[in-house]
Amino acid sequence: AAGVIQSPRHLIKEKRETATLKCYPIPRHDTVYWYQQGPGQDPQFLISFYEKMQSDKGSIPDRFSAQQFSDYHSELNMSSLELGDSALYFCASSFRYEQYFGPGTRLTVT
Amino acid sequence: GDSVTQMEGPVTLSEEAFLTINCTYTATGYPSLFWYVQYPGEGLQLLLKATKADDKGSNKGFEATYRKETTSFHLEKGSVQVSDSAVYFCALSDPSDAGGTSYGKLTFGQGTILTVHP
Repeated sequence: AAGVIQSPRHLIKEKRETATLKCYPIPRHDTVYWYQQGPGQDPQFLISFYEKMQSDKGSIPDRFSAQQFSDYHSELNMSSLELGDSALYFCASSFRYEQYFGPGTRLTVT
Repeated sequence: GDSVTQMEGPVTLSEEAFLTINCTYTATGYPSLFWYVQYPGEGLQLLLKATKADDKGSNKGFEATYRKETTSFHLEKGSVQVSDSAVYFCALSDPSDAGGTSYGKLTFGQGTILTVHP
């Protein structure tokens, strides 16, 4: 069965640089969620989209922005990166029911 | 706001031992409850869920019952295996957050590291 695809799987950036993370949901899923998981922490909700519109917003820094495109894939754009942004970023997709998670993108900011 | 509290970890057991991981929640609405499992270096996998009071979710020998009176959703397994070693997260979602379109965002507990020895 098709799963959620995230790219890249690993990303290394320097402070103050910009990063773009991509998420391709399971076919026919109309909702995408983004979560951030710091080392040894539980995942924290960042933002979600339903039918290409922002549906909910969590603790997402103003330096981050996201959108969902017409093909339902989503991108998380992160600017002015800080050391504290180093984390595992998960995307999840759903259609009415439970969320299915991608493998995550591990971002390291040096 | 909504929150989830899991028992302090880590948990270390011998193979075939009984497992309980406690989870309690606080929510303003009528949440759905989930257990997710995360194996090393991997994403989160849904283990089981319950959507209303007294529902029992079960999968792969794991069970959890939605107890509204005690606001709990404890995870249990009668006989653990080495392959069950992972991090387990209790989570809730409040459908009222999503306008009825889905279960809504997930709020996770702190996670419990389970290690099973042969």
